[in-house]
Amino acid sequence: EPEVTQTPSHQVTQMGQEVILRCVPISNHLYFYWYRQILGQKVEFLVSFYNNEISEKSEIFDDQFSVERPDGSNFTLKIRSTKLEDSAMYFCASRRGEHEKLFFGSGTQLSVL
Amino acid sequence: ILNVEQSPQSLHVQEGDSTNFTCSFPSSNFYALHWYRWETAKSPEALFVMTLNGDEKKKGRISATLNTKEGYSYLYIKGSQPEDSATYLCAFEGFNTDKLIFGTGTRLQVFP
Repeated sequence: EPEVTQTPSHQVTQMGQEVILRCVPISNHLYFYWYRQILGQKVEFLVSFYNNEISEKSEIFDDQFSVERPDGSNFTLKIRSTKLEDSAMYFCASRRGEHEKLFFGSGTQLSVL
Repeated sequence: ILNVEQSPQSLHVQEGDSTNFTCSFPSSNFYALHWYRWETAKSPEALFVMTLNGDEKKKGRISATLNTKEGYSYLYIKGSQPEDSATYLCAFEGFNTDKLIFGTGTRLQVFP
């Protein structure tokens, strides 16, 4: 069965460093997302991406965050200058159509020291 | 601020017990209610997406109901098995939005 893949599974970085989290969504899906879960908190929406542009973003998704779909298969989340509070599990997700079920990747655990 | 609440936070049951948990969500601007099952060290996996008031969905021993007028959904597991142990997440999806708003989840542990 097709699945969403994410790399790396774990990333440790120093505060102020840039990180790029990578995702390969399911190939015939059109809607792409990043969510995150800080330990002990709810899964929270970061950004949605459709038709090669951001369709919606949360307040968390400030100028330090960006997303890209550079080659029609990869979908990346970049954090330019990481903060301690960016430490979380980051999930990529995709779906074929609007309002359908989401398919999640297995997540990248980001630790900012 | 839209809030989605789930109860209980955690549940421990014996194998063979039936169990249920609740998701409450805003009753306005409703489009869909999603249920996901999240096993440790795996990715969340969709169980149901429900859109119609009164809707009931079933997948094996797991079923769910939806009341959009009062803003709640129940998830039922009949004859729980150890492999049902997971966190069950519900998520609200509104009109004119692309995001899901998740509840805190109910963590279920089924003991043999």
